[in-house]
Amino acid sequence: AQSVTQPDIHITVSEGASLELRCNYSYGATPYLFWYVQSPGQGLQLLLKYFSGDTLVQGIKGFEAEFKRSQSSFNLRKPSVHWSDAAEYFCAVGGPESSGDKLTFGTGTRLAVRP
Amino acid sequence: GAGVSQSPRYKVAKRGQDVALRCDPISGHVSLFWYQQALGQGPEFLTYFQNEAQLDKSGLPSDRFFAERPEGSVSTLKIQRTQQEDSAVYLCASSLGGQDYTFGSGTRLTVV
Repeated sequence: AQSVTQPDIHITVSEGASLELRCNYSYGATPYLFWYVQSPGQGLQLLLKYFSGDTLVQGIKGFEAEFKRSQSSFNLRKPSVHWSDAAEYFCAVGGPESSGDKLTFGTGTRLAVRP
Repeated sequence: GAGVSQSPRYKVAKRGQDVALRCDPISGHVSLFWYQQALGQGPEFLTYFQNEAQLDKSGLPSDRFFAERPEGSVSTLKIQRTQQEDSAVYLCASSLGGQDYTFGSGTRLTVV
């Protein structure tokens, strides 16, 4: 069965500092990997996705993520955090073997940004 | 519209009431998904439609939950005899096919 682990429930960083949010997944074959952001009271906005090809993926708002098959990881990074990045971040896994195109989400990491 | 529209945004129901949540997907999107997001948790899959066909309902937590998409466009998630544990945000997503979703803003259901 597919699963996602986001080990950090809550992270606080200073504005302008770098950020890395961790994501580990379990999936039988080649996964499709996603990072979403959710602001309070809002739905999920896609930041970036990996289906195949280059393992370093660029997304919106200056975010990037790197797929590392050997570590079953897909960590999200940003070189310089802005106060508006404070939100909850979800990693998700799917793939060609996922029944009904369903995604499995992690429990999320809440990011706070210190002025 | 340009995005996935869900209504109502907020719903308060007394325990035992029936509720209906609506999702209007992006025009032309074949696939439609419902997810349930409990407080402090990630979204969990409920059910999936391809056009009007419900191809996977394995995530529906009980037979009190029912979803339909009769004309392959708008979908309704119905919860009968609501319980407190049904309190959550219900998210709808649509796609042209596959896992490249667009999510709506969700309906927050509170059962009192």
